[in-house]
Amino acid sequence: EVHLVESGGGLVKPGRSLRLSCTTSGFTFGDYPMTWFRQAPGERPDWVGFIRSNTYGGTTDYAASVKGRFSISRDDSKSIAYLQMNSLRTEDTAIYYCARGTTHVDFWGQGTLVTVSS
Amino acid sequence: DIQMAQSPSSLSASVGDRVTITCRASQNVDIHLNWYQQKPGKAPELLIYAASSLQSGVPSRFSGSGSGTDFTVTISSLQPEDFATYYCQQSHSSPHTFGQGTKLEIK
Repeated sequence: EVHLVESGGGLVKPGRSLRLSCTTSGFTFGDYPMTWFRQAPGERPDWVGFIRSNTYGGTTDYAASVKGRFSISRDDSKSIAYLQMNSLRTEDTAIYYCARGTTHVDFWGQGTLVTVSS
Repeated sequence: DIQMAQSPSSLSASVGDRVTITCRASQNVDIHLNWYQQKPGKAPELLIYAASSLQSGVPSRFSGSGSGTDFTVTISSLQPEDFATYYCQQSHSSPHTFGQGTKLEIK
């Protein structure tokens, strides 16, 4: 059974950094691209970015709102995807989800809450 | 960025009703259009991908159609578990934007 579990969220001050992890099981992680989304309370989901599988170079793509501040990486030996978030802003406050796939994402984690506040 | 507009924003319906939700893209997305269902406190779940392909495990009462800029998702006979918020998402070009959502409520 496919499982994705996000961790690493919490309360952080503006300007600080946080790294989220997405620990997966139940599928061959290295074969899949992985996407990160976020969703502020009462809002639509927001696409953050994705990382391709290493077969396709492990390259990344990001939303303009996070480009240069956030980076996505992967460790295929541990079946984990990461979202490194730097220079956090209050508007980055949201539940962050990782998901399997890119053009359509078929499995999502349960999400981890990131609150950016002084 | 491609803008996605859903209609209606909210909808009241009864169990057994046939319901259709519409999504319009601001530019051509071919068939790169997905539909998700989200219940309170849960992550979105994929219903339809590539405009009309039913995700494995999703009941056949859900169907999708469209291409280019205009898309629909239809629930042929509403069940109690279908009351939720529905989102369309284009995956034609980055960023993969979502519609504002359609909240389906019990009449």
